[in-house]
Amino acid sequence: QVQLQQSGPGLVKPSQTLSLTCAISGDSVSSNSAAWNWIRQSPSRGLEWLGRTYYRSKWFNGYAVSLTGRVTIIADTSKNQFSLQLNSVTPDDTATYYCARGVGLTTGTTFDFWGQGSQVIVSS
Amino acid sequence: QSVLTQPPSVSGAPGQRVIISCTGSSSNIGAGYDVHWYQQLPGTAPKLLVFGNKHRPAGVPDRFSGSKFGTSASLAITGLLADDEADYYCQSYDKSLGVGGSEVFGGGTKLTVL
Repeated sequence: QVQLQQSGPGLVKPSQTLSLTCAISGDSVSSNSAAWNWIRQSPSRGLEWLGRTYYRSKWFNGYAVSLTGRVTIIADTSKNQFSLQLNSVTPDDTATYYCARGVGLTTGTTFDFWGQGSQVIVSS
Repeated sequence: QSVLTQPPSVSGAPGQRVIISCTGSSSNIGAGYDVHWYQQLPGTAPKLLVFGNKHRPAGVPDRFSGSKFGTSASLAITGLLADDEADYYCQSYDKSLGVGGSEVFGGGTKLTVL
């Protein structure tokens, strides 16, 4: 059974960087059949996919076009985890952030395992 | 506004059948990309309910069924139970959003069991 355990601060000041980590058990961040995603949810935006990282003989990343330039997702193979960094945050980035495993990349990815969620508030 | 359109709410009495629709376009559902459905209970993470348009993960009752047609998809729930009261989301992939495309979600539908 795959388990995803999220960690990171719940309060971030405007203009600073939001950083969250997702520790994986029951699978490998270097898996050739999975992708590791970040998704957020807020009342104003609903569920919003932020991006993913995955390994297919080399590392690939994909990000939501609305966040291009502000978001980075990095895998740490030594700790079997992946992280989210979102730069220059504003109060509009206040949301519950989820990490999720994605499987299947040809006709679409489904998110079969999710982290517990991390509520992040952007406020001074 | 979400790329995939769902009704904000549906309701039904215990034992009844309800259907939740998910309408997309030619760049997502209509382009042949799969639709997946999630159930979210209050205060919890979304849970995968249906994947690949119509397949259920182990442990999901066959009261939940998905289908896809053209640029739309639907989730049917039969034999409604009080425990089915939750938010339901559809998800697919859109090839027109950015260079590599993007995963997209519906706005969610709140199911009330009367």
